[in-house]
Amino acid sequence: EAQVTQNPRYLITVTGKKLTVTCSQNMNHEYMSWYRQDPGLGLRQIYYSMNVEVTDKGDVPEGYKVSRKEKRNFPLILESPSPNQTSLYFCASSSLGQGATWNEKLFFGSGTQLSVL
Amino acid sequence: DQQVKQNSPSLSVQEGRISILNCDYTNSMFDYFLWYKKYPAEGPTFLISISSIKDKNEDGRFTVFLNKSAKHLSLHIVPSQPGDSAVYFCAASPRLYGQNFVFGPGTRLSVLP
Repeated sequence: EAQVTQNPRYLITVTGKKLTVTCSQNMNHEYMSWYRQDPGLGLRQIYYSMNVEVTDKGDVPEGYKVSRKEKRNFPLILESPSPNQTSLYFCASSSLGQGATWNEKLFFGSGTQLSVL
Repeated sequence: DQQVKQNSPSLSVQEGRISILNCDYTNSMFDYFLWYKKYPAEGPTFLISISSIKDKNEDGRFTVFLNKSAKHLSLHIVPSQPGDSAVYFCAASPRLYGQNFVFGPGTRLSVLP
């Protein structure tokens, strides 16, 4: 089954304790991205990656790191989490086709609810 | 400043009637628009898209209309069904200029039996 898998689904941590949220896709997609969802603000892009070893900042990258060492994995790293990073996080992936189907469908994971105390 | 706006946080519609969800954008570079649907405890799923070269796209009960001059798009669901109750996100992309999607804040649709 084609899917994007995020872990964990729920995470409660304390300020300053480094954490990693994992994301893996089994569709051989080139493009992967992280979003955070906050009330009234929709989904805001944190980082994205066009392919292995190619990453770039989205709209709200401060306080986050990513890496893309393998095509299927795109972990999100919070080196020193703060309470303003409490949010619902989504990983997404897509193929980079051509023409009208280029990046038409983002496939999302089920989300990770993070609480930083 | 939000580049993609969905000014109605919520909408209630009777089953069988039409649901109209609206979306406005400010960036004239956007040339590709999508709607995503999200149920609780799940990730968003792709619903329908439209390119700026078109003004209408249909897929079954779902139709998206694009008015480029007004920088406005709308999603019509006809007829609405209780299973359509979800949060709907509008998204826009400057597809010709690189890889990024900008999402609106979402509209929660409730279809009442």
